[in-house]
Amino acid sequence: AQKITQTQPGMFVQEKEAVTLDCTYDTSDQSYGLFWYKQPSSGEMIFLIYQGSYDEQNATEGRYSLNFQKARKSANLVISASQLGDSAMYFCAMREGGSSGSARQLTFGSGTQLTVLP
Amino acid sequence: DGGITQSPKYLFRKEGQNVTLSCEQNLNHDAMYWYRQDPGQGLRLIYYSQIVNDFQKGDIAEGYSVSREKKESFPLTVTSAQKNPTAFYLCASSIRRTGTSGAYEQYFGPGTRLTVT
Repeated sequence: AQKITQTQPGMFVQEKEAVTLDCTYDTSDQSYGLFWYKQPSSGEMIFLIYQGSYDEQNATEGRYSLNFQKARKSANLVISASQLGDSAMYFCAMREGGSSGSARQLTFGSGTQLTVLP
Repeated sequence: DGGITQSPKYLFRKEGQNVTLSCEQNLNHDAMYWYRQDPGQGLRLIYYSQIVNDFQKGDIAEGYSVSREKKESFPLTVTSAQKNPTAFYLCASSIRRTGTSGAYEQYFGPGTRLTVT
């Protein structure tokens, strides 16, 4: 079974409008983290936002917010006031496991290509 | 400026040759990672290293090898045993975020696009 599912291969949004990118996840761990990354056509991965499984409030970072619904295992990214520079591939990722000690690998979804229209 | 460098950005090799991709970071991060990305897909973990002289296989380690002799450096060798080496390779390092429940935020390099013919 897929651990991270992004069901929208492509999305279009009008400039200055808000857009929601969907992400559902599957884990049996109680402690986990959810990340969103942006990948422009240049290829680099840019960290956007993080949500911990024990965080009670939805994470926000500027125009980005994460709609975290733990019972539904969803972690949707909301981008407000879209800009042309937001056009990119967006990846949802999950880190499983406890908080102590060493590195934890990320499991990535297949991504959503967002295009912002002028 | 602190960051992760990967060189070169584009690399071309003939089939049957080993090739080593460079990854250097000056962020003082303990953990480093190598991912592979194929067109239209997400990232898959090849290898990761928690500390110097230690590394673990990821999901798709076959045909790859790594070393971690220095904290700053985590080179990846794509061997001739890797059946489909043409891909985009991303290196990352991570640090534990303060004030959160143990999140390890990963910072990525610009990537190396390897083409094997």
